[in-house]
Amino acid sequence: EAGVAQSPRYKIIEKRQSVAFWCNPISGHATLYWYQQILGQGPKLLIQFQNNGVVDDSQLPKDRFSAERLKGVDSTLKIQPAKLEDSAVYLCASSPRASYGNTIYFGEGSWLTVV
Amino acid sequence: AQRVTQPEKLLSVFKGAPVELKCNYSYSGSPELFWYVQYSRQRLQLLLRHISRESIKGFTADLNKGETSFHLKKPFAQEEDSAMYYCALLGTSYGKLTFGQGTILTVHP
Repeated sequence: EAGVAQSPRYKIIEKRQSVAFWCNPISGHATLYWYQQILGQGPKLLIQFQNNGVVDDSQLPKDRFSAERLKGVDSTLKIQPAKLEDSAVYLCASSPRASYGNTIYFGEGSWLTVV
Repeated sequence: AQRVTQPEKLLSVFKGAPVELKCNYSYSGSPELFWYVQYSRQRLQLLLRHISRESIKGFTADLNKGETSFHLKKPFAQEEDSAMYYCALLGTSYGKLTFGQGTILTVHP
C-alpha cells in the first residue's frame, strides 16, 4: 500500500514570497490533515478535511495560509506571503475516517526554510 | 479543549536500563491515546495505541483515566530506541489529533 506522498521535500524561499505544498493521501482515505512542526515543538494541526469539506481550521493563520482539497483526494497548502516564523516542516496525514479506532498515517513532510 | 503534556524534553538512559516517558492529557470525553515515534530523518510513525493493549518493540503504555496519564514504558532500553517520541490524543468529536511537545530519548551504550 502506497503511503502519504508529499512534495516538494525541501524548499527555501525569501520572506514575502509564496510557496505551495502538495499532498496525496492514501487511496480511499476520507480524512486529510495538515500539520506544522516547528523545530523543537510537537506538530500543530493547521487544518483538517473530511472529504472536501473543512472540519477544523481554527489554528490556520488565514491571512497568509490557505488550503484546499477540491475533489476530496489530494490537497494543496499555500503560504503567501511567507514570514521567517513559517520555517517549519509541513506534515500531511490521512486516515480512513475521523473516528475512534482509526490509524492516522503521516507523510515524510515538506521542509520549508524562509530566509 | 484537548491538551497533551510531555513534561520531559530530553531523557537519557543507558542501554539495558528501564525507561519511562511521561504523558498527561486533558480532555472532557473519552479520548483515544497514541504514542508516535520519529527516528532520525524518518516520518512520524505509530508506535502503539491504548485500545490495542499490545506491546510494540518492547514498549507498553497503560491509560490511567484517574491520573489522566498514558506513560510509555520499556523495561530494558536499546540503543535503537533513540528517537523522538510524541504522545497524541484523538478527540472523539470529529477526530482531531493533538500532539504533545515530544521527548527526545537517547540510549547510551
